[in-house]
Amino acid sequence: GENVEQHPSTLSVQEGDSAVIKCTYSDSASNYFPWYKQELGKGPQLIIDIRSNVGEKKDQRIAVTLNKTAKHFSLHITETQPEDSAVYFCAATTGANNLFFGTGTRLTVIP
Amino acid sequence: GAGVSQTPSNKVTEKGKYVELRCDPISGHTALYWYRQSLGQGPEFLIYFQGTGAADDSGLPNDRFFAVRPEGSVSTLKIQRTERGDSAVYLCASSWTTDSPLHFGNGTRLTVT
Repeated sequence: GENVEQHPSTLSVQEGDSAVIKCTYSDSASNYFPWYKQELGKGPQLIIDIRSNVGEKKDQRIAVTLNKTAKHFSLHITETQPEDSAVYFCAATTGANNLFFGTGTRLTVIP
Repeated sequence: GAGVSQTPSNKVTEKGKYVELRCDPISGHTALYWYRQSLGQGPEFLIYFQGTGAADDSGLPNDRFFAVRPEGSVSTLKIQRTERGDSAVYLCASSWTTDSPLHFGNGTRLTVT
């Protein structure tokens, strides 16, 4: 099955700086790559996603890039704010939303 | 509108007991998924339903785990003869179709003592 690796496991940035989280996947057939934000005691919340026919997608301060050849994708958050502090998960799937998740990155934005 | 609702939010049970976890998906969503999340880990897929039928149950760890969705809406995850290793947060998610983004509930935290 698919294997998704995510790093770093923890990340601390100053408010206003950028944060980058990287993931690699093993199954070249994977074609959908969502990113989720999870706050304490809550379920994961979708923040952005990308499909394999696109190399980059942006939504305000959040962007995702995908390199199919290298089988890696990254989340970029610019102008970070304290409310961005949470655990972020990447995921990959070949379809049908049977998602394979990474192990998460705990992001702390220091005011 | 209302999101995915899971009840109870917390469940403590003794080893060997039977438990049921309930999920109310977003109205109109045809696909429903169960995931399990252990502490410090990402969610792991258990099973998903398209309508009333289990389309993929390959993630269920063993035959103590079973899930139903009799009317194509609410789903129940059933765990028999619970073990301490079953302790985790059980997450439910739904989507319009299997190609649509997943929306997760807040989960049921199951603790087996």
